[in-house]
Amino acid sequence: EIVLTQSPATLSVSPGESATLSCRASQSIGSNLVWYQQRPGQAPRLLIYGASTRATGVPARFSGSGSGTEFTLTIGSLQSEDLAVYFCQHYTNFGQGTKLEIK
Amino acid sequence: EVQLVESGGALIQPGGSLRLSCAASGFAVSDNYMNWIRQAPGKGLQWVSVIHPGGTTYSTDAATGRFTISRDTSANSLFLQMNNLRAEDTAVYYCATFRSGSLDAFDIWGRGTLVTVSS
Repeated sequence: EIVLTQSPATLSVSPGESATLSCRASQSIGSNLVWYQQRPGQAPRLLIYGASTRATGVPARFSGSGSGTEFTLTIGSLQSEDLAVYFCQHYTNFGQGTKLEIK
Repeated sequence: EVQLVESGGALIQPGGSLRLSCAASGFAVSDNYMNWIRQAPGKGLQWVSVIHPGGTTYSTDAATGRFTISRDTSANSLFLQMNNLRAEDTAVYYCATFRSGSLDAFDIWGRGTLVTVSS
């Protein structure tokens, strides 16, 4: 089973700044990595698939990169609406999430 | 509009049974990889079970032997029969479609239904 480890567990960033979230896979998964955003009280929302392709309607300030075992989600020019927990996923495996706080 | 709506969550005693439903609109359940994913309070996401378009089903070890996933094509709905419930099954249960090949991602999610197992 592939284990996904996200870091940091919590990230606090000021509005307008950028945030960098990491996801590490226990073995190489190519580019088969997905990112979700889960706002408080809501269901997860698909953000990025194929490690770097934005889903329909996702703002361009969200970008994904990486391959193999190391992946990154970068959120530029943070807004209050970006307050959420972000999960990475590979097939049936999910990371434990990174909680993004807005200072 | 493409939508998934779960129902059936409740407060149930340990050892009890519950059947969750997920009504789909805007697409056919039978044409998609339909999943149940759960989230314990304050915790992460855990995949529970899937039914393939061809009818094959798979479940996580924690669900095998206790949970059964099924679908009703005429009702365009997905179900999860949960038996012998335990406290650790307490969670919000989401149904979601898995888009295989093009995305390899869960692209449509319902809002979830809360199952609480407690005496």
